[in-house]
Amino acid sequence: GIQVEQSPPDLILQEGANSTLRCNFSDSVNNLQWFHQNPWGQLINLFYIPSGTKQNGRLSATTVATERYSLLYISSSQTTDSGVYFCGSGTASKLTFGTGTRLQVTL
Amino acid sequence: KAGVTQTPRYLIKTRGQQVTLSCSPISGHRSVSWYQQTPGQGLQFLFEYFSETQRNKGNFPGRFSGRQFSNSRSEMNVSTLELGDSALYLCASSLGQHWNTEAFFGQGTRLTVV
Repeated sequence: GIQVEQSPPDLILQEGANSTLRCNFSDSVNNLQWFHQNPWGQLINLFYIPSGTKQNGRLSATTVATERYSLLYISSSQTTDSGVYFCGSGTASKLTFGTGTRLQVTL
Repeated sequence: KAGVTQTPRYLIKTRGQQVTLSCSPISGHRSVSWYQQTPGQGLQFLFEYFSETQRNKGNFPGRFSGRQFSNSRSEMNVSTLELGDSALYLCASSLGQHWNTEAFFGQGTRLTVV
């Protein structure tokens, strides 16, 4: 099955800093999602981005399917951005996730 | 439109007991998946259902089981609970027959086994 790797595993930023999270996948995929897990445990959809670039406020994502990676950019980070970020890709009967990037934004 | 609803939100059980967790997908979604997340860990795949059929199962002991009903609601059951079963259990649903469409998660059920 698909293997998904995320980097870095942990990231500490000061408020206002920018960051880039990376997701590599082992096989060609035709779908890719980014999620943010909030402190209460819920996974919130950020982007469904099989290819190309999307932006939503301070967040943007780019997927280069031919090179098997996706990037999540967070600009002007805020403390509310803290949490764990997961990327995932689905097949016929399973959505496979990376191990996540734990982000802590400090004042 | 209502999101994915998981009940109960919190649960405390004693070792050896059994527990049933419920997941109601978004209206119209027929694919449902369950995941276990232990503290500080990633998302471990439990099982996946479509049209009342279990299509995929993760590497968990037989104490973990589940089912999906005709209205797409799903339940998972854990029998003979162990301390290590303490975790956040998350349910996801997807509109498509496969998981190459956007998936949405419920708020999770936090199970504590004492």
